[in-house]
Amino acid sequence: ELKVEQNPLFLSMQEGKNYTIYCNYSTTSDRLYWYRQDPGKSLESLFVLLSNGAVKQEGRLMASLDTKARLSTLHITAAVHDLSATYFCAVDMVDMRFGAGTRLTVKP
Amino acid sequence: DVKVTQSSRYLVKRTGEKVFLECVQDMDHENMFWYRQDPGLGLRLIYFSYDVKMKEKGDIPEGYSVSREKKERFSLILESASTNQTSMYLCASSSSGRVYEQYFGPGTRLTVT
Repeated sequence: ELKVEQNPLFLSMQEGKNYTIYCNYSTTSDRLYWYRQDPGKSLESLFVLLSNGAVKQEGRLMASLDTKARLSTLHITAAVHDLSATYFCAVDMVDMRFGAGTRLTVKP
Repeated sequence: DVKVTQSSRYLVKRTGEKVFLECVQDMDHENMFWYRQDPGLGLRLIYFSYDVKMKEKGDIPEGYSVSREKKERFSLILESASTNQTSMYLCASSSSGRVYEQYFGPGTRLTVT
């Protein structure tokens, strides 16, 4: 059975700092997705990673995929308050399987 | 822009009631999905549909059924609501060419008392 594990589940960081969110999954897949969710709102697609070694960047967020290690990372550079949200990774295996989410709080 | 709408943002129902959650998308997408979101568990797939009148079970179909009579509409039905079905329900849609780039609705927060 496919399992998707994110860590940490909760992350509190100060503005200007860097940090990485990890997403491990248990079976072979070469499609991984990152979503952002703001409180009370639905999910917003951030990145789609479709092959081993894929790296995508948007602003202060960079996502990468290592299919051999079954690991994706979401790296935050010089965090700002606007990045406070919950971030989900999801893996494609016929249907989508989501991680539990990482609730990120960026403090001034 | 793709629009996925859900019939209610907030819903309160009593145990044993039959509950209908409606989802409509306006981009002629073939695929539609129903998820529930619970704290600490992330999103879990309940049912999905790849075509009209077609449905497939997801991870947690027990206690739920679905209906897709028209391409744009996907309904989630709780035949007899229970308190453990209190949750946030999210609908999503995607095209057949880009199955996993899903567009999500705003969600329905259902409380069963």
